[in-house]
Amino acid sequence: AQSVTQPDIHITVSEGASLELRCNYSYGATPYLFWYVQSPGQGLQLLLKYFSGDTLVQGIKGFEAEFKRSQSSFNLRKPSVHWSDAAEYFCAGQDRGSTLGRLYFGRGTQLTVWP
Amino acid sequence: EPEVTQTPSHQVTQMGQEVILRCVPISNHLYFYWYRQILGQKVEFLVSFYNNEISEKSEIFDDQFSVERPDGSNFTLKIRSTKLEDSAMYFCASSEDRNQPQHFGDGTRLSIL
Repeated sequence: AQSVTQPDIHITVSEGASLELRCNYSYGATPYLFWYVQSPGQGLQLLLKYFSGDTLVQGIKGFEAEFKRSQSSFNLRKPSVHWSDAAEYFCAGQDRGSTLGRLYFGRGTQLTVWP
Repeated sequence: EPEVTQTPSHQVTQMGQEVILRCVPISNHLYFYWYRQILGQKVEFLVSFYNNEISEKSEIFDDQFSVERPDGSNFTLKIRSTKLEDSAMYFCASSEDRNQPQHFGDGTRLSIL
């Protein structure tokens, strides 16, 4: 069965520090992969997506993610975190070529940023 | 930038009552979805909708749930007889195509008393 795993429930970093949020997937074939961010009281905003091609994808707000097939991973990174990045981050997968479009979400990682 | 709009932002309902959650998807999108997130748990897929019919539904989406696109703009989720365990944040999403990114609304927090 398809699944997406985010091993870290909560991460705390200092402002200006680098950030890496982990995401692993388990699918029959390489899925489409997404990272979403949820600020308090708001919906899920798409940060970036991976469909095919270049395994390093750039997103909004200075985020990037790298797809590694050998590790079944799609980790989210940012070189220098800002206090406004404090939020919950969700990794999601979608069956490639699916006629249905259903997303499978990880549990989410809560990011706290210390000033 | 166009966005998905959900109303109300918070709904409090007595157990056993019917509730309707409303969504206005992005205007040129053709695929519509409902997800829910119980506090502390994963975001879970409920149902997808295309061409005026359900494309897929999860095991959560039982006979108590229904969806409808009553006009050209709204997309609704109805829960006929609410249970305590229906308390959750419900998200509506839409996409241009089934393999295009889904855009989410801000959610409706449903509290069942």
